[in-house]
Amino acid sequence: AQSVTQLDSQVPVFEEAPVELRCNYSSSVSVYLFWYVQYPNQGLQLLLKYLSGSTLVKGINGFEAEFNKSQTSFHLRKPSVHISDTAEYFCAVSNTNAGKSTFGDGTTLTVKP
Amino acid sequence: DTGVSQNPRHKITKRGQNVTFRCDPISEHNRLYWYRQTLGQGPEFLTYFQNEAQLEKSRLLSDRFSAERPKGSFSTLEIQRTEQGDSAMYLCASSQTGITNEKLFFGSGTQLSVL
Repeated sequence: AQSVTQLDSQVPVFEEAPVELRCNYSSSVSVYLFWYVQYPNQGLQLLLKYLSGSTLVKGINGFEAEFNKSQTSFHLRKPSVHISDTAEYFCAVSNTNAGKSTFGDGTTLTVKP
Repeated sequence: DTGVSQNPRHKITKRGQNVTFRCDPISEHNRLYWYRQTLGQGPEFLTYFQNEAQLEKSRLLSDRFSAERPKGSFSTLEIQRTEQGDSAMYLCASSQTGITNEKLFFGSGTQLSVL
């Protein structure tokens, strides 16, 4: 069985400040890890994914995440956020195919001017 | 690429009624997934198809739920004898297997409210 814990349900931050959204997972086997973003009234969109190889993964919109196997974490970071980054962010884990994933409960990122 | 399309966007029904949702995946995608998302929670996997074959169903999917993908293209999700606990956003996603990096594309969902 797998599980995902997103440690912060809400993260308020000022524009141009750095942000980190935290994600821990548990799994008994090797995993694939994902971050998705959901803007209001839109479907989930893949931000980035870790399948293997380099533990630092770069995604769209300037986001990056680091896979830490020893700490079973996959935190999402952005050095400078914009108002348009305001959205719900979901961390997900899978050990088979990307589609059959276990999602966390989400982190609401609110970027203030 | 017109994206994954779900209809209707919103559905309000009375308890005990049957409802059906439709998902049109990206045309060349062979896998189709259904998820359910309730307020304040992440999506929960319900079932998925590869072409027309339903390969896996979650134990979350009670006998009142049935999904089909008859020609390996669009899919329908039917809920019989709806209950208030069925109120949720029902998400559909599609992907193409056979490539190294399977990527999910989600639709905007169907919001079901059971009164």
